[in-house]
This record gives sequence, C-alpha cells and structure tokens, in this order.
Amino acid sequence: EVQLLQSGGALVQPGGSLRLSCVASQFPFNTYGMSWVRQAPGKGLEWVSVITPGGGTKFYADSVKGRFTISRDNSKNTLYLEMSSLRAEDTAVYYCAKPTAPRWPVRGAFDFWGQGNLVTVSS
Amino acid sequence: QSALTQPPSASGSPGQSVTISCTGTSSDIGGYNYVSWYQQHPGEAPKLIIYDVTNRPSGVPDRFSGSKSGNTASLTVSGLQTEDEADYYCTSYAGNNNVIFGGGTKVTVL
Repeated sequence: EVQLLQSGGALVQPGGSLRLSCVASQFPFNTYGMSWVRQAPGKGLEWVSVITPGGGTKFYADSVKGRFTISRDNSKNTLYLEMSSLRAEDTAVYYCAKPTAPRWPVRGAFDFWGQGNLVTVSS
Repeated sequence: QSALTQPPSASGSPGQSVTISCTGTSSDIGGYNYVSWYQQHPGEAPKLIIYDVTNRPSGVPDRFSGSKSGNTASLTVSGLQTEDEADYYCTSYAGNNNVIFGGGTKVTVL
C-alpha cells in the first residue's frame, strides 16, 4: 500500500523558518510529480506547490512564492517543503500529496495524502 | 487565481440524492477536463472520490458521480448514507501548473 509519512510540523515565530519532510513508499516515487497542499484551521484546501519527477522544475501558489521552496531527494524517496519568512496566515495543516498517475503537469487528482503536519506561526 | 465557487452547505435525508455545484471560469473548469472531487471527514486527510470529471478511483461507491457543463462541475451523491456526512471539495487544473480548489461544501445527512 502506498504510504506518505510526514514529519516536521511545529510552532514557529513569525519570520521564522521550518522544513517539512514526506517519505514515500510502495510506488515509483521518481516518476511522479509531487505536491504540497495546506488547510488553515477551519478553512478549505489550498494548493501550495508542485515539483517535477526529476526535481528540476517547481511551481508555487502566489501566496507562498519567494518564501517557500519545494525539493526532493529521489535517492531517499523524500519530498521537502522549506518554509521561510513565515506569517500568521501560513498557519495550517500541510499535506504532501501523490497524483493518480505519473503524468505532467499534475492536474489536481491526488489519490494518496500524507497524514498532515500542523504548522503554527505565532509569537 | 480565485477559488472555485461552491455552496457552503447541502443536505438530504438518507436514501435521497444531493448535488453540489462547483463554478469556475473558462480558464479552469471550462478549459480542461481535469476536475476532481474530495471528501473530507473531520480530522482526516481528504479522500479522492472523482477525478478527470467523471472517473471514480477503485473502491469508491458508484453512488458518487461527477459531471461538467461549461464552467460548472457537479458532484452527485445518490442514496445518501450517514457516512456521507462530510466536507466536499472540488478542484480543477487552471493551466500553467496551477491547481485551484473550491471553498468546500458541508453535506449534512438529516
């Protein structure tokens, strides 16, 4: 069974930084573009970022562009989200998500999700 | 990119049907056949129930169906069951490697 195991959620001060990790198993990780999606408390889902299978191309939502960096290490089957200059409005549960098929671009159909990591930005 | 528009709530009695709309523009829903729907119970990760407008992943009951007309997509849940009470989100590819979500609809089984 496909698994996405996340780590890294924490309480961070405004302006601070944090890195989230997502370890994938039971599928050919290096053939799938991977995404991060977040959900603020009591709010809806928001797509954050996507990275190509090889890691060479990355895209971001306007709300995080210039502050967040997505990356991956295919030798470790691991996806990362490096977050900096964090703001209160970045407070959310962050999910890594796998698309249904190894096709590009990723089109919003995510069949497996990580368990989610709560990131709280507060002083 | 603005979020897709969903009604905040919908309801139905057990056994009835409920349909949720998701309205976008010609740049997202209207421009691509890449609409997906998710079901989310409290405290859980979203679950994919429809992708590419009409397709159901393995294991999703055929009570769930999707459709699209112009810039509006719809999810119909037939034969409502108590376990269908959840939040439902639509999403669409919006070009340029962007994906946008709807604001979510809370479905209540009366």
